[in-house]
Amino acid sequence: EADIYQTPRYLVIGTGKKITLECSQTMGHDKMYWYQQDPGMELHLIHYSYGVNSTEKGDLSSESTVSRIRTEHFPLTLESARPSHTSQYLCASSEFLWLGGPSSSYNEQFFGPGTRLTVL
Amino acid sequence: SQKIEQNSEALNIQEGKTATLTCNYTNYSPAYLQWYRQDPGRGPVFLLLIRENEKEKRKERLKVTFDTTLKQSLFHITASQPADSATYLCALGQTGANNLFFGTGTRLTVIP
Repeated sequence: EADIYQTPRYLVIGTGKKITLECSQTMGHDKMYWYQQDPGMELHLIHYSYGVNSTEKGDLSSESTVSRIRTEHFPLTLESARPSHTSQYLCASSEFLWLGGPSSSYNEQFFGPGTRLTVL
Repeated sequence: SQKIEQNSEALNIQEGKTATLTCNYTNYSPAYLQWYRQDPGRGPVFLLLIRENEKEKRKERLKVTFDTTLKQSLFHITASQPADSATYLCALGQTGANNLFFGTGTRLTVIP
């Protein structure tokens, strides 16, 4: 079981509310990610971070924002929730594992249990 | 843009048989390919990795093949058990790159 935690696990909230989804990991990983996953669909990367004070947008455009003030913590915030934000949000962290040589690294990701968000 | 397809949305097999899942990709040349298992309401869990210069990898009852000419990976579970029922995701990556690209997954059900 990976040491990465997400809270809350389930959240039902009304339109227009501000929400923050929490993600913490105790593995000391520099790299962290947020994915959005709808039923039967692939994981879409919405944000990632290389380390403290580093954040980047992912492949899927998202109205959410993230921050990385501490290595272990990577919260995601929605300023004004809408029904279109209803989805499963997965947080992950990773380390590069070197298989031999600088060009032989790979990225194994460790996922949290997810937050199921429903916006009414 | 890259596209990753996993053979079917759902696969049902009898306990004891070998399950074979397919991952096909286009417009991408991954340095490695990973397989993850995802149970309902949980995040994916890493299972196996295979690199572009490897043809086959095994781990207990799991076997992965990687054909860069066909742009395809096959994932086999031998002597399948009901506990193997889950969604299996393939993911493609490049060395030194931060991102993985995930397929939609195949939901496997092993019938007792």
